[in-house]
Amino acid sequence: GAGVSQSPSNKVTEKGKDVELRCDPISGHTALYWYRQSLGQGLEFLIYFQGNSAPDKSGLPSDRFSAERTGGSVSTLTIQRTQQEDSAVYLCASSLKASGRPGETQYFGPGTRLLVL
Amino acid sequence: AQSVTQLDSQVPVFEEAPVELRCNYSSSVSVYLFWYVQYPNQGLQLLLKYLSGSTLVKGINGFEAEFNKSQTSFHLRKPSVHISDTAEYFCAVSVRSGNTGKLIFGQGTTLQVKP
Repeated sequence: GAGVSQSPSNKVTEKGKDVELRCDPISGHTALYWYRQSLGQGLEFLIYFQGNSAPDKSGLPSDRFSAERTGGSVSTLTIQRTQQEDSAVYLCASSLKASGRPGETQYFGPGTRLLVL
Repeated sequence: AQSVTQLDSQVPVFEEAPVELRCNYSSSVSVYLFWYVQYPNQGLQLLLKYLSGSTLVKGINGFEAEFNKSQTSFHLRKPSVHISDTAEYFCAVSVRSGNTGKLIFGQGTTLQVKP
């Protein structure tokens, strides 16, 4: 079946502009994660959505970053007033995360490569 | 807090030779352990994971890893590598008792398989 998809695959923007990154999780997966992969920081957790529960936003680096998940499916990560240090690959992952099932496998999308000039 | 250390940033190896990629973790609570692989310009793919039971875990593409609780290690091994194994490998943990299952990753090890 279809895997996790992300769009755009590449995004070049100017410092100070806002960007939106989209993630389509695997159908039926209730858990959705955003991670950031950068040269300096490696792979970092950003935010987690599970069903209708309040998201875990503990990894968001600043208040310029926000994310939403509409209808329990598609998610959008928004970065406002982009800075050069926001340049990175943004990865989305989804998992079944059924209640009581530990260690669910996360399935990753190909990522969006963001370059802030 | 949890942390993961991958002891080698790059590992060069000749084709058909064995390889070990080292991973140590630090955590005050029980964790699950994972190895993911990332091929160029692709997302991460799960190789294997340790949840419980046998400490020797077998994964895809002939890889295996051994959980050693006393040494807090989860090293990845393959007895004979192929050119196609050239990729970046990430060790990760997630907290057993947490609600999120978020992964905490090591810095990655680049495996370079030479002909």
